[in-house]
Amino acid sequence: DAGVIQSPRHEVTEMGQEVTLRCKPISGHNSLFWYRQTMMRGLELLIYFNNNVPIDDSGMPEDRFSAKMPNASFSTLKIQPSEPRDSAVYFCASTVTSGPYEQYFGPGTRLTVT
Amino acid sequence: TQLLEQSPQFLSIQEGENLTVYCNSSSVFSSLQWYRQEPGEGPVLLVTVVTGGEVKKLKRLTFQFGDARKDSSLHITAAQPGDTGLYLCAVSSGTYKYIFGTGTRLKVLA
Repeated sequence: DAGVIQSPRHEVTEMGQEVTLRCKPISGHNSLFWYRQTMMRGLELLIYFNNNVPIDDSGMPEDRFSAKMPNASFSTLKIQPSEPRDSAVYFCASTVTSGPYEQYFGPGTRLTVT
Repeated sequence: TQLLEQSPQFLSIQEGENLTVYCNSSSVFSSLQWYRQEPGEGPVLLVTVVTGGEVKKLKRLTFQFGDARKDSSLHITAAQPGDTGLYLCAVSSGTYKYIFGTGTRLKVLA
């Protein structure tokens, strides 16, 4: 049974370039989260979707970050233009909207912006 | 803003030893979760608790939750190298939003 799938696993790009991270949630899950993890700040929620609709984007750092969920099986997180301080591991997680929101995380995308 | 503190930050022990790590919240929470994250992977949920004073066991792992619903501990008996990883706790006030601690990095030496 496939878990949450993220691509790419690693991304190295130059400052100013556009970066797109992809996520396929677990089939049947109707909630999706994007997180960012750094040594300094730990795991931070960027945006939360419920039934493909963005519910809470208060964690998105600035306008350079955008996220979409065109259907129940696909989401993207885009950074344009990228900056070195965006370097981090980005995780996607999915769950069903019932009970205590037990999240299933993907393997993450390690982003390095030089 | 709810603050979450985990201790210790780092722990290195020999195989077979017992250990306890802690998670303390500045506010009362509705539910608390413990995750384990291995290098290069995403966090994996170990347990969810919603009742103050509750104790849950998962093989060699024992999770205790404070009566006041502001703290929790994770005790590992006879640690094994496979227990190595980053242990994260996360708390929620009853919504989708979980606040994660910065974790305890455990290394179990063979």
